[in-house]
Amino acid sequence: IAGITQAPTSQILAAGRRMTLRCTQDMRHNAMYWYRQDLGLGLRLIHYSNTAGTTGKGEVPDGYSVSRANTDDFPLTLASAVPSQTSVYFCASSDEQGYGYTFGSGTRLTVV
Amino acid sequence: GNSVTQMEGPVTLSEEAFLTINCTYTATGYPSLFWYVQYPGEGLQLLLKATKADDKGSNKGFEATYRKETTSFHLEKGSVQVSDSAVYFCALIDNYGQNFVFGPGTRLSVLP
Repeated sequence: IAGITQAPTSQILAAGRRMTLRCTQDMRHNAMYWYRQDLGLGLRLIHYSNTAGTTGKGEVPDGYSVSRANTDDFPLTLASAVPSQTSVYFCASSDEQGYGYTFGSGTRLTVV
Repeated sequence: GNSVTQMEGPVTLSEEAFLTINCTYTATGYPSLFWYVQYPGEGLQLLLKATKADDKGSNKGFEATYRKETTSFHLEKGSVQVSDSAVYFCALIDNYGQNFVFGPGTRLSVLP
């Protein structure tokens, strides 16, 4: 089934630990994105990648890093988690025109 | 920069009531406009879109018209159902296909 797969579905993480959220798409979309969703703030862009080998910073990039070694995978890494990173994280991908925007089902992360 | 403003929720309606969720935007150029829906525990799904002024997007009984003169894209449905209970996000993407911007979301609860 074409779409985006995120893992894990949920995670409780101790502050200071390193964590990588995984995202894989099988639609051959060039562009991929990571958002966090917080109550009252909607979705905020963390990082994006317009094509394999390139990445860029979004609205709230601090404390996060990404890589885009190939078209399908776009992992998000928290090098040293803090409680303010407790959120629901959504990965998305789109075609060049931005119209085929597809979201994953999200990862609920709690940092304690 | 680009921005999207939505009416604050939550919105609570009885089944078969008329729904309007207001959305206004600020953007340079000629953005494309979208409504996304997020059902409980799921990711975002595209509900409808409009790519130019006066276009009307429609899907599942929902409609929204791109009004450039009022910079609005209000979501309407003539008769809501309990199954429409979800969070609705208005969003835009600029005419370069970059910088996807979401509103904060409006939670709709439909009571039987």
